[in-house]
Amino acid sequence: DAKTTQPPSMDCAEGRAANLPCNHSTISGNEYVYWYRQIHSQGPQYIIHGLKNNETNEMASLIITEDRKSSTLILPHATLRDTAVYYCIVRVASVGASGNYQLIWGAGTKLIIKP
Amino acid sequence: DTEVTQTPKHLVMGMTNKKSLKCEQHMGHRAMYWYKQKAKKPPELMFVYSYEKLSINESVPSRFSPECPNSSLLNLHLHALQPEDSALYLCASSRRMVAASTDTQYFGPGTRLTVL
Repeated sequence: DAKTTQPPSMDCAEGRAANLPCNHSTISGNEYVYWYRQIHSQGPQYIIHGLKNNETNEMASLIITEDRKSSTLILPHATLRDTAVYYCIVRVASVGASGNYQLIWGAGTKLIIKP
Repeated sequence: DTEVTQTPKHLVMGMTNKKSLKCEQHMGHRAMYWYKQKAKKPPELMFVYSYEKLSINESVPSRFSPECPNSSLLNLHLHALQPEDSALYLCASSRRMVAASTDTQYFGPGTRLTVL
């Protein structure tokens, strides 16, 4: 079962910041939040991940609330090429497979960047 | 370089055919994954190989048979598939599966499979 909930779709104007929310209220203390995106019919592309602290890389910023029950992915200056489905994911320990981890995917947010 | 390659890009097969999907990475990753993705749904994990050994099988039907001949290659052998098996099959790799490691997975472009 998904551990994350996301809005099904969002629009954003080109050049503006896109803020994608995600709720993960049942996340455990050692479970990471990951974000991937998938442009139509391509493989998912890794964006960013975090545990407790806010993170930033060349693609995006990830803001995680202090109670870790929600997070926001920020694309600072959205372009048309950022149109994609964005998945918020929790990495959990695999049941019965010691030392193994799995990604539990949310349903995704379809982000449409408009000119 | 974070490239995972998959062949073929597209595959059409009948229910009695035998075919194979291939995945390759040269990043020195020691964990490799097969996912299945239906339209408008997130990917679903099928198999995980860790250090060339099958680590996770998510109750996948036996008509799907994975193989990891070496640390760079991952195959998925297909036999007697059903039309409902039509989907995008994704391969991914990660450095390794170790507790406390963030172990990011990198995905290939996928193989679009159609079963007639």
